[in-house]
Amino acid sequence: DVKVTQSSRYLVKRTGEKVFLECVQDMDHENMFWYRQDPGLGLRLIYFSYDVKMKEKGDIPEGYSVSREKKERFSLILESASTNQTSMYLCASSSRDRGHTEAFFGQGTRLTVV
Amino acid sequence: SQELEQSPQSLIVQEGKNLTINCTSSKTLYGLYWYKQKYGEGLIFLMMLQKGGEEKSHEKITAKLDEKKQQSSLHITASQPSHAGIYLCGADYTGTASKLTFGTGTRLQVTL
Repeated sequence: DVKVTQSSRYLVKRTGEKVFLECVQDMDHENMFWYRQDPGLGLRLIYFSYDVKMKEKGDIPEGYSVSREKKERFSLILESASTNQTSMYLCASSSRDRGHTEAFFGQGTRLTVV
Repeated sequence: SQELEQSPQSLIVQEGKNLTINCTSSKTLYGLYWYKQKYGEGLIFLMMLQKGGEEKSHEKITAKLDEKKQQSSLHITASQPSHAGIYLCGADYTGTASKLTFGTGTRLQVTL
């Protein structure tokens, strides 16, 4: 059974803290993504990575950074958490070699910044 | 304005009734993906459409892509409480499926 695992389901952090959200996939996928989901705005792409140590900005990268040191792991970093980063964060992965193929999603991390 | 519009934003139907959710793109798609999300959880892949006029079915859910590849509909026949959730369409505009643009979602409630 394929899996994308996010390290936490729920997180509460204080304003100004550095926050790490971890995502691991076991499918040997090249592509990995971080989205945030907010009511009325749908899913918005923050960053994606198509290979180890490679990253590209998505639609809303401000206030975030990412790290992909190993193929299976993609980390999202909030350098200094702010209340407007309270959201549901979803990680996904997909295969490049299979061409048009669906992305597999993790269960999500609901982050609250107080 | 959104590249990908979903309608309606929310829907309440009685169990056993049929329903349709629409997804309209402002430009031609390489592929269109439908996902379902249970409240507060991750997305579950339902179907992917690539060819103009294509139609796919899984159990009581049917999805179609129009000939111009700019609009897709998701139809549920004889809805059940298990169909409740948020339905999202995702558009592949690059042709590589490496990056999807998502609609805002349709929240479906099924009443008894």
